[in-house]
Amino acid sequence: AQKVTQAQTEISVVEKEDVTLDCVYETRDTTYYLFWYKQPPSGELVFLIRRNSFDEQNEISGRYSWNFQKSTSSFNFTITASQVVDSAVYFCALSASDSNYQLIWGAGTKLIIKP
Amino acid sequence: DAGVTQSPTHLIKTRGQQVTLRCSPKSGHDTVSWYQQALGQGPQFIFQYYEEEERQRGNFPDRFSGHQFPNYSSELNVNALLLGDSALYLCASSDTSGRLTDTQYFGPGTRLTVL
Repeated sequence: AQKVTQAQTEISVVEKEDVTLDCVYETRDTTYYLFWYKQPPSGELVFLIRRNSFDEQNEISGRYSWNFQKSTSSFNFTITASQVVDSAVYFCALSASDSNYQLIWGAGTKLIIKP
Repeated sequence: DAGVTQSPTHLIKTRGQQVTLRCSPKSGHDTVSWYQQALGQGPQFIFQYYEEEERQRGNFPDRFSGHQFPNYSSELNVNALLLGDSALYLCASSDTSGRLTDTQYFGPGTRLTVL
């Protein structure tokens, strides 16, 4: 069975601190896709990144970076120098053939950035 | 380039009524997926439409039905509303052209309240 675990229900940090959101996934497939989405209070899910299972390169996009480690089945997300606008719920999701490529979602991590 | 749009933004219905939600996909996208998101939870997959047919379905009762039009826009219909149907309904579009693995982009959602 496929599963995505985001163990951190809520994280609160002060602005400018670095913060890492954890994501651990389970799948028996060798080819799969991992995603991070941001959901601000407005409700819209904003796509942040997609990573294929055969590409373990870490990625950096401005203040955002992602660490993909197949050995530990983790796909963690780090925000450097956090800002108040980063406050949102962040979801990690998995897509694989086991679920006919339906997105399997984690429970989300609520990130609160205090000024 | 317009993103995914949904209407209405908010809706209030009473138990037993029927509701129709609408979604226009991102320009160039041919596939529409619908999700239900209860408060404090991750999205739950309802179904996906491609080429005007339901291609995949999640674990939702037949009260939930949909339609896709030739211009790729889509409707979600829910009959015999229950209090438990109160949720944020999200539409996502993707350019799959037959592939199931493409990234989904989400609309702002419709907040449905059933009284």
